[in-house]
Amino acid sequence: DTGVSQDPRHKITKRGQNVTFRCDPISEHNRLYWYRQTLGQGPEFLTYFQNEAQLEKSRLLSDRFSAERPKGSFSTLEIQRTEQGDSAMYLCASSLTSTWLAGAWTDTQYFGPGTRLTVL
Amino acid sequence: AQSVTQLDSHVSVSEGTPVLLRCNYSSSYSPSLFWYVQHPNKGLQLLLKYTSAATLVKGINGFEAEFKKSETSFHLTKPSAHMSDAAEYFCVVSEGGKLIFGQGTELSVKP
Repeated sequence: DTGVSQDPRHKITKRGQNVTFRCDPISEHNRLYWYRQTLGQGPEFLTYFQNEAQLEKSRLLSDRFSAERPKGSFSTLEIQRTEQGDSAMYLCASSLTSTWLAGAWTDTQYFGPGTRLTVL
Repeated sequence: AQSVTQLDSHVSVSEGTPVLLRCNYSSSYSPSLFWYVQHPNKGLQLLLKYTSAATLVKGINGFEAEFKKSETSFHLTKPSAHMSDAAEYFCVVSEGGKLIFGQGTELSVKP
């Protein structure tokens, strides 16, 4: 198992263009998460999937953002009409299903290397 | 809603001296807590995880953390810092499966 992979690692685009990122999770993981990390901050949750179903979306995820996981394996995150404020590191993580055990969640998320987006 | 607060944005230690990175949490029930490390230009790596099995949790690379419910704390420690420990460290709480990160503590290690 090679872990979570993301493509591309870096993307430079001009304001107003559309961009798409890909994430390939660890093969047996049924949950896939997207986070965004801006400079000097901790990652912030964007959305997550269980298999192909998108179960939760953050308020951070504006209408210009869309994520898919069509076959329950890899996922794509598309940003339409990019803005300079979209410049950030986009992180993908995967895990097995969270289990409530002894009063706590037991999942562990494994992160990919991220895609760094720069919007000029 | 759950949250974590990392009390120091930057910590500097000398190689061979102890490391203490402080984290307080806010949770209405027994939380799942994590420490992740992020080296420059590398992905987030899990250091250790607490899920109520034991209050003292041992992680990789000699790190450990102690869950103290009375103090709502989950501080990360290491007896002796190594140059390779220089990185950004995040205290994290799990809420419904998604992770909520603290602001991060940058650890510098001086020779």
